[in-house]
Order: sequence, then C-alpha cells, then structure tokens
Amino acid sequence: GQNIDQPTEMTATEGAIVQINCTYQTSGFNGLFWYQQHAGEAPTFLSYNVLDGLEEKGRFSSFLSRSKGYSYLLLKELQMKDSASYLCAVTDSNYQLIWGAGTKLIIKP
Amino acid sequence: IAGITQAPTSQILAAGRRMTLRCTQDMRHNAMYWYRQDLGLGLRLIHYSNTAGTTGKGEVPDGYSVSRANTDDFPLTLASAVPSQTSVYFCASSDSSRGTGELFFGEGSRLTVL
Repeated sequence: GQNIDQPTEMTATEGAIVQINCTYQTSGFNGLFWYQQHAGEAPTFLSYNVLDGLEEKGRFSSFLSRSKGYSYLLLKELQMKDSASYLCAVTDSNYQLIWGAGTKLIIKP
Repeated sequence: IAGITQAPTSQILAAGRRMTLRCTQDMRHNAMYWYRQDLGLGLRLIHYSNTAGTTGKGEVPDGYSVSRANTDDFPLTLASAVPSQTSVYFCASSDSSRGTGELFFGEGSRLTVL
C-alpha cells in the first residue's frame, strides 16, 4: 500500500529551528508538496520538490531525497504564527496525490 | 478577490437528509477536487474533475456524488446523510490535472450529521 509518515506533533521554541520529517512509500513519484494549515483554516501551499536537494524560500526550506523516500521541512527563526499543522503530500505514478496525516507544530515563547 | 468559495461554512444536518455543498472558483482552473478531513487522518479525496464535463472517484466516494457542468462550479451532494459523514469538507482547484500543481483550497465546510 501507499503510505506517508510524519510525526504527529512537535514542540519548538520561538526563535529556534525545527525540522519536520516525512517519509513515503508510494507507487512511483512525481513530486512532493508541503502545505501549512492553521487550526480551523484551509491548507496553503508552502513548497514543491520534484528533484533531489534543498529548496529555500525565506525562513522555510524543503529537502528531498528520492532514493531514500524522504523529505524534510526546515523552519528557521520560528515565530508564534508558525504554530500550525504541516502536511506532506506525494504525487504517485498515477498522478494521484497521497497525503500524510500532518504534523502539529506547537511554538512556545 | 480571486479564489475558491465554499458554502455553507457550517451546517448541522439530520441523518437521512440530502445536502449539497457548493464550490465555485474564478481562477479558470481545469482540475477541481473534494476532500474530507477527519482528526488524525490525512486529507482523503472524495471525487475529482480534471475538466468540465468529466468527474472521477477518489479514495472515499461512497455516499457522495458530484457534477461539473462548467469550469467554475463543482458541487458535492450527499444523497442521504449518515453520521459517519460528519467531517470538514474542502474543495480545491489546480491548473494541473496531473497532481503536480499547487492546490488552492476553499475555506472548508464543517458538516455535522446527527
């Protein structure tokens, strides 16, 4: 079966750095997405990786290793507004989007 | 403001009733999707449409139907609601039907079936 694994919950301190991991087992691979979802709101797009390596976008970076079936989202200089759930999703060989259950990130002052 | 509009934002419904969730986008995206989101589970695809006039079944289609008469509208209908359909429903659209484009989500419709 197809599976996306991410930690259920993480806690970090304001101003620090946090890395949220995502591992996947899917039938083929056509890209990996990260979305942010604040409580009670809709998911919003953060990043898309299709090739190996690191993509940096401001305080957020996303890394992909296709050979290891692994990605991480790195958040730097954490702010209280970064408290949210972070969703990992993979597009498989049939171009179906497979979603992880999300990682709830709690930022403490 | 361009984007996706869902209605209603919240609804309480008696079991056995028929309910239609509305979704309209003004971005001229070809692909549209309906997801449900339940606590502890990832987003699960109910139905999708790659272009106007076509629809397809997702992971959890039973008890739901959709139509795509034009590019902008993609309503989701529950013919006879059951308590297990209590969930938050998100409509989304993308300019790519190949799952490689960014998804734009509506604000969600919170449905409670009693």
